Amino acid sequence: QKEVEQNSGPLSVPEGAIASLNCTYSDRGSQSFFWYRQYSGKSPELIMFIYSNGDKEDGRFTAQLNKASQYVSLLIRDSQPSDSATYLCAVTHGSSNTGKLIFGQGTTLQVKP
Amino acid sequence: DAEITQSPRHKITETGRQVTLACHQTWNHNNMFWYRQDLGHGLRLIHYSYGVQDTNKGEVSDGYSVSRSNTEDLPLTLESAASSQTSVYFCASSERDRSDTQYFGPGTRLTVL
Repeated sequence: QKEVEQNSGPLSVPEGAIASLNCTYSDRGSQSFFWYRQYSGKSPELIMFIYSNGDKEDGRFTAQLNKASQYVSLLIRDSQPSDSATYLCAVTHGSSNTGKLIFGQGTTLQVKP
Repeated sequence: DAEITQSPRHKITETGRQVTLACHQTWNHNNMFWYRQDLGHGLRLIHYSYGVQDTNKGEVSDGYSVSRSNTEDLPLTLESAASSQTSVYFCASSERDRSDTQYFGPGTRLTVL
């Protein structure tokens, strides 16, 4: 069974702090990794993707990938109350370009003013 | 602006009835996907399509069907609705060459009584 694991939270951080969200996956063949943000009652919104080991930065967001450890993380710097949402980690199913994604159950982030 | 829409946004139906959920995208994306999202299970893939006349089963396809007669639309049909199919349904689409980078519609909340 291919799985993606996330701590459901809630993860609570004060405004201005760094929020660190983590995800582990079981399929060593996975090639692409995604972070989606989902506000309550809304649809998932793609915020970051990463394909290579290391860090990828986009504004306040940094995605980190370690394929050897099968670990993906998302750092949110200078967290804002508007960042409060559920963050979904998704990885591709296997190494082929099928487009099939496996999603974790998500981590709920609460940013307190 | 290009977009992906779903209709209806909310639907209540009775056990045994046939229900069709619509998904329409104007991005001219080749790939389209249907997911359901339930507490405790996250997002799970129901069916997907790589183009006109192409359909494939996902992880939880039993009781569902799709057809792709044009690029823009992938309707999801519940042949005989069951209470276990009460869920939030999301449609997503992606480009041919970036099948894993998916963009989601607003979702349909379906209740089967």
